Amino acid sequence: QSVLTQPSSVSGAPGQRVTISCTGSRSNIGAGYDVHWYQQLPGTAPKLLIYGNSNRPSGVPDRFSGSKSGTSASLAITGLQAEDEADYYCQSYDSSLSDVVFGGGTKLTVL
Amino acid sequence: QVQLQQWGAGLLKPSETLSLTCAVYGGSFSGYSWSWIRQRPGEGLEWIGDINHSGGTNYNPSLKSRVTISGDTSQNQFSLKLSSVTAADTAVYYCAREVREAVTGLPYYFDYWGQGILVTVSS
Repeated sequence: QSVLTQPSSVSGAPGQRVTISCTGSRSNIGAGYDVHWYQQLPGTAPKLLIYGNSNRPSGVPDRFSGSKSGTSASLAITGLQAEDEADYYCQSYDSSLSDVVFGGGTKLTVL
Repeated sequence: QVQLQQWGAGLLKPSETLSLTCAVYGGSFSGYSWSWIRQRPGEGLEWIGDINHSGGTNYNPSLKSRVTISGDTSQNQFSLKLSSVTAADTAVYYCAREVREAVTGLPYYFDYWGQGILVTVSS
């Protein structure tokens, strides 16, 4: 059971917009700790996609965007492409656990 | 361009000690903290712990009694040891560069990752 809750799967057709939610609690996201997102393509290491809730590292397309509100955060992907098919993980910090925490991951399928 | 290359034994027997090393190429080694993260088969990511530029360490409370992370700044390398492994420790282990939050100094995010090593624990 992950501390941060994500849907196990989402799907969308090419060109569409999808969102992935990440729900935490008052000891992590709700406490003000930032949320970061990673993309993991099959058989590869995770790649930083969004840091500090909404910032994109150099090289990440602006089709990817992040937001945070209250005890939750969201990753939005617009103009869905086949190459976006991957697992997506959110990550934050939990003050009660004194630990880095990840979501359980969401598998994105491009139909 | 920062690159992390990791190596170590991929097959262990129960009760043995897992030992992995990660070398950092490019960028500053001393200016960052360095983490180990694992992913059990079919599961999500689990942070194991980190080491900072001064050699200070932080560990996941659930693994703390079995984990040791050490660093060698002369070689730009850091290592993970996990003792008394069981089948539950079977996972892909990643090393990663950790960025610390500027104000709190807490672990923030991971911007560069190693390729990952599958470690299997089986008798």
